[in-house]
Amino acid sequence: EAQVTQNPRYLITVTGKKLTVTCSQNMNHEYMSWYRQDPGLGLRQIYYSMNVEVTDKGDVPEGYKVSRKEKRNFPLILESPSPNQTSLYFCASSLIGTDTQYFGPGTRLTVL
Amino acid sequence: LAKTTQPISMDSYEGQEVNITCSHNNIATNDYITWYQQFPSQGPRFIIQGYKTKVTNEVASLFIPADRKSSTLSLPRVSLSDTAVYYCLVVLTGANNLFFGTGTRLTVIP
Repeated sequence: EAQVTQNPRYLITVTGKKLTVTCSQNMNHEYMSWYRQDPGLGLRQIYYSMNVEVTDKGDVPEGYKVSRKEKRNFPLILESPSPNQTSLYFCASSLIGTDTQYFGPGTRLTVL
Repeated sequence: LAKTTQPISMDSYEGQEVNITCSHNNIATNDYITWYQQFPSQGPRFIIQGYKTKVTNEVASLFIPADRKSSTLSLPRVSLSDTAVYYCLVVLTGANNLFFGTGTRLTVIP
């Protein structure tokens, strides 16, 4: 089944404790992206990647890192999480040149 | 990128047709109009896209007038399971980056 998977689905952590949220897709998509969703603010793009080893900042990249060492994986790294990064995070992927993105199920992160 | 404006929320009874209008006055020649649907606790999913006139698929219809400054997503005979947030996006042809607004929260009432 074609899908985007994220892990973990739920995470509660404390300020400053590094964490990684994994994202994997099995559709051979070149493009992958991370969004965060907050009440009243909609979805905002954090980082995106057009292909392996090619990443770029989205609208709200501060406090986040990403890497794209393999085509199927695009982990989101929070080196030193803070409470304002408490949010619902979505990973998405698509073919280059298309705007039909496939979203993962979401990761709900709480930073205490 | 063209900014979109759509109602924050709408309510509808089951079985009714629902029309959600989106305004995009600054749409460019190479832009397409795309709609996504997001159920609670799930990621958004693509439902329909169009350039002009009318597009219909198994989920919805999309009406776009000749000036393309607005569009209307039409959901026929909604059911409780259509309760979701609907996002209108204006997307440049071939562009991958999407910019979501806050969408329209549709609540279907029994």
